[in-house]
Amino acid sequence: DAGITQSPRHKVTETGTPVTLRCHQTENHRYMYWYRQDPGHGLRLIHYSYGVKDTDKGEVSDGYSVSRSKTEDFLLTLESATSSQTSVYFCAISVAGGIYNEQFFGPGTRLTVL
Amino acid sequence: AQTVTQSQPEMSVQEAETVTLSCTYDTSESNYYLFWYKQPPSRQMILVIRQEAYKQQNATENRFSVNFQKAAKSFSLKISDSQLGDTAMYFCAFGASGSRLTFGEGTQLTVNP
Repeated sequence: DAGITQSPRHKVTETGTPVTLRCHQTENHRYMYWYRQDPGHGLRLIHYSYGVKDTDKGEVSDGYSVSRSKTEDFLLTLESATSSQTSVYFCAISVAGGIYNEQFFGPGTRLTVL
Repeated sequence: AQTVTQSQPEMSVQEAETVTLSCTYDTSESNYYLFWYKQPPSRQMILVIRQEAYKQQNATENRFSVNFQKAAKSFSLKISDSQLGDTAMYFCAFGASGSRLTFGEGTQLTVNP
């Protein structure tokens, strides 16, 4: 158990509203990630962080922003949610370090944008 | 850019039998990591097995083993003595230094009683 929690676990919102998803880890790992999972696409990286206030874009970052003000928390924000952002969102951490190494995942958040 | 391909969207197997899931990847890197993740209906992503490219020996974890063919860029997962709890989506993933972890599209495995 890598000690990763996500909140909320489920959310339904309307188009145009802001949404923030939270990822919390208990073991002070340096690297944290946000993915989205959609049928036929596997998992796609949205943003990642390699330390407090250090973040970078992934392959599907448009429409998303992130912040990391504390080691244990990594926030994903949809500034103005759209229906195309309906998805399951996973947070992950690297234990061994390095974006290319094995990652451990949180339980996921199902987001529905109406 | 690395690509990972899982050519079998769905597979099924009888309980207690053996099944092999396929994964191929494309890379110019010489040192990298390969992973298989399992996602049961609970949606939790679970790391099943890990292979480092510089190791010639195939990784094994209990009933799970891999057939790593570096020259062919192939990384298949064999599940022996399949159990009902093995029913899940399985994702192959590739990681190399300087690039992100890349996932395949997944294979839905159903174990039938």
